[in-house]
Amino acid sequence: RKEVEQDPGPFNVPEGATVAFNCTYSNSASQSFFWYRQDCRKEPKLLMSVYSSGNEDGRFTAQLNRASQYISLLIRDSKLSDSATYLCVVNFGTGGSYIPTFGRGTSLIVHP
Amino acid sequence: DAGITQSPRHKVTETGTPVTLRCHQTENHRYMYWYRQDPGHGLRLIHYSYGVKDTDKGEVSDGYSVSRSKTEDFLLTLESATSSQTSVYFCATHDSANTGELFFGEGSRLTVL
Repeated sequence: RKEVEQDPGPFNVPEGATVAFNCTYSNSASQSFFWYRQDCRKEPKLLMSVYSSGNEDGRFTAQLNRASQYISLLIRDSKLSDSATYLCVVNFGTGGSYIPTFGRGTSLIVHP
Repeated sequence: DAGITQSPRHKVTETGTPVTLRCHQTENHRYMYWYRQDPGHGLRLIHYSYGVKDTDKGEVSDGYSVSRSKTEDFLLTLESATSSQTSVYFCATHDSANTGELFFGEGSRLTVL
């Protein structure tokens, strides 16, 4: 069983829709959490960090539930340019090490 | 953008030949990582380094070795390439002093025939 689990999708939504992605992780000692975006054949890039209190960046909202070991990403008012793969990343590092572990990614397709 | 460069960007080789991929950074980041990305698997950690000459294995380290003799360079070596090592390889760096963001190179596409 992979340590970070995501629904691979694809999620196929119309422009303007709201879409939510979920991610679960297995290690309760995990320290930090992130969402990355990856466009086809490109390197991943940081979309946003995820904090326990929840955080928002424009149309994007990230939530963390440590008790349930669950992370979410909500995208409101989807744009065509949001089409990409969204990667959940959890840092399993302890004792000063830093080992980012990726989920398989969730594919989003936004259509006109 | 962070200065992370990978070379070669594309390589085709034959089974049994040695291959070395290079990752070079100009950011003075402490941590460096090699991942491979395959359809259906996402990014999987091969090896990582937490300082010069300090390396450790990741999830899929069999068949790979690494070296880091300078802060800026992290080499990934396939001693004897196999077809199962056909993949896209990404190098990433992290500065322990920052917010936790990983910075990636553009990837190296390796095909083993």
